[in-house]
Amino acid sequence: QVQLVQSGAEVKKPGASVKVSCKASGYTFTNYGISWVRQAPGQGLEWMGWISLYSGTTKYAQNLQGRVTMTTDTSTSTAHLELRNLRSDDTAIYFCARGGVAATRLDYWGQGTLVTVSS
Amino acid sequence: NLMLTQPHSVSESPGKTVTISCTRRSGSIDSNYVQWYQQRPDSAPINVIFEDNRRPSGVPDRFSGSIDSSSNSASLTISGLRTEDEADYYCQSFHDSTLVFGTGTKVTVL
Repeated sequence: QVQLVQSGAEVKKPGASVKVSCKASGYTFTNYGISWVRQAPGQGLEWMGWISLYSGTTKYAQNLQGRVTMTTDTSTSTAHLELRNLRSDDTAIYFCARGGVAATRLDYWGQGTLVTVSS
Repeated sequence: NLMLTQPHSVSESPGKTVTISCTRRSGSIDSNYVQWYQQRPDSAPINVIFEDNRRPSGVPDRFSGSIDSSSNSASLTISGLRTEDEADYYCQSFHDSTLVFGTGTKVTVL
């Protein structure tokens, strides 16, 4: 069965960087893109971007341009999200999800990773 | 920029039907597919409708989706409401290769 398993919770100080991983199993990793979505406490879902495993292309949300990088390691079927220069309003649960590239649905989701930014 | 507006909350009794709207504020609702996601407390979202009105395997047929061009909106209808349907629901569409989520609707089963 398809599974996306994310890395554990992180606590970071303002200005630091965080890297969240998402290990896929149960399907051919390179056949699907990976999207990242975050959810601040008590708030709605915010799309952050996607990475195409087919072309290596990325598309990021405009408000995160310059601070976010999405990568993949096909040898371990793992996707990575790096967010730099963290601010307190980056405190959120970060989800990876399969899909999003080429207007496809997000059909499987990781369990989420809580990132807390606090001095 | 694309905005998808949903009612903040809806509530209904078990066995009844609820309909959640998702209004597109710019552009035509039928220019891109609409998906719907259910998110129970402390859980990851689950896709319950894709491509406007298609249901993923395993999702009960009590869930249905539709598009109304006259109101430029999409709708999610849950019939035969059950306590387990109590959750937040988000619509989602696409714009210029980006994904946009609706504002979210809390469904309460009375």
